[in-house]
Formats: sequence, C-alpha cells, structure tokens
Amino acid sequence: KQEVTQIPAALSVPEGENLVLNCSFTDSAIYNLQWFRQDPGKGLTSLLLIQSSQREQTSGRLNASLDKSSGRSTLYIAASQPGDSATYLCAVFDNQGGKLIFGQGTELSVKP
Amino acid sequence: GAGVSQTPSNKVTEKGKYVELRCDPISGHTALYWYRQSLGQGPEFLIYFQGTGAADDSGLPNDRFFAVRPEGSVSTLKIQRTERGDSAVYLCASSPYPGGYGYTFGSGTRLTVV
Repeated sequence: KQEVTQIPAALSVPEGENLVLNCSFTDSAIYNLQWFRQDPGKGLTSLLLIQSSQREQTSGRLNASLDKSSGRSTLYIAASQPGDSATYLCAVFDNQGGKLIFGQGTELSVKP
Repeated sequence: GAGVSQTPSNKVTEKGKYVELRCDPISGHTALYWYRQSLGQGPEFLIYFQGTGAADDSGLPNDRFFAVRPEGSVSTLKIQRTERGDSAVYLCASSPYPGGYGYTFGSGTRLTVV
C-alpha cells in the first residue's frame, strides 16, 4: 500500500530565504507526482507535476525534483515571500492513474 | 463552468441524519474525484468516476457512503446515518482524463456532524 510522508510538518522562515520541502513515498511504481498548495479554507492548487520518467520541473521560483528509485521528491522555493505562506501537499498518482495519494502536508509560514 | 463548484460550502447536521453534497465539475471533464480531508491531514481518496461509472470506489469507508454521477457531469456524495467522525472537508476534483494533468479541485464542503 502506497504511503506518502512529508517532512517537516511545519516550517517558519524569514522572508528571502531559500527552502526545501521533502516528500517520500514507499512504492516507486508511480504514474506521476504533484505538488499542491492549499490556503486556509480553500481548495488545492496544482503547482508542479512531474511524470515518472522526468527528474524535475520548474515554474518561476519553484523547482520540484523526483528520484523515483529512492522514493523521494523535493520542492525548492527560492527567495521566499510572505505570500508563499500556505500548506504544501505532495501527492502521487497510483500506477493506474486514477487516484492521488497525499502526504499530510507541510505548513509554511514566511515572516516579513 | 470556470472551475469546480461544490455546494453547500458549509453543512451542519445532526448525528443520524442524511446529507447530500454536490459537485459540479469543469465542463467537459470526464474524470471526477471525491476526497475527504480531516484537520491537519492530507486529503484521502474516496471514489473516482470516469464518465457515469465509478472506476474506483475503494476509498469509501463503509456502506453509509455512496456517490452517483448519473449523466457524467454533476456528482452527488450521499452519507446516511451521519456520525460525528464524518465531520471533515469533502473535496471534489475533476480532470479532462485520468492521469493528473488539468486536475482541478473545488473549494470543498465543510461538514460538521453535531
């Protein structure tokens, strides 16, 4: 059974810092991996999607990497801003491409 | 529509009552998903529709939970004999096809069972 774990559960950094969020999964037979952002009381917004054959994806200040063989992904946020404060969720699509299996999230707070 | 719409946004019900939660996906999206999110946790998969049929209902916790999508667009999640443990945010998502691209979530329905 696929399990997804995110470390740390919460993170507080001063504005301008670069930071890394970690995600690990137990079964390497994934279809793809996605990083989402969730603001309080809101739904989830997809940030980056990495196919199982890819190593990384970049969007603006965000860079996500995938090491399928070791069951790990990282989300790198450059030059963090207070507007980046949110919960970041990692999720893998199972090999059938049907459902997402989520980690418990990392709650990020960027202080001005 | 422009996004995934879920109604109601909040629902308070008494223990033992029946509730229906509605999801209106993005027009043309054939895949529709229901998830449940408890406080401080990531969403948990409940059921996935491809068209009108349930392609995977392995996440439904018990037979009190049921979902339909009769015309391949709007879906209703139905919970019978609600329990306090059912309190959570119920999220709906849709995508043009299975596999992740274009996966769009609604804002959710917060269900509170008192």
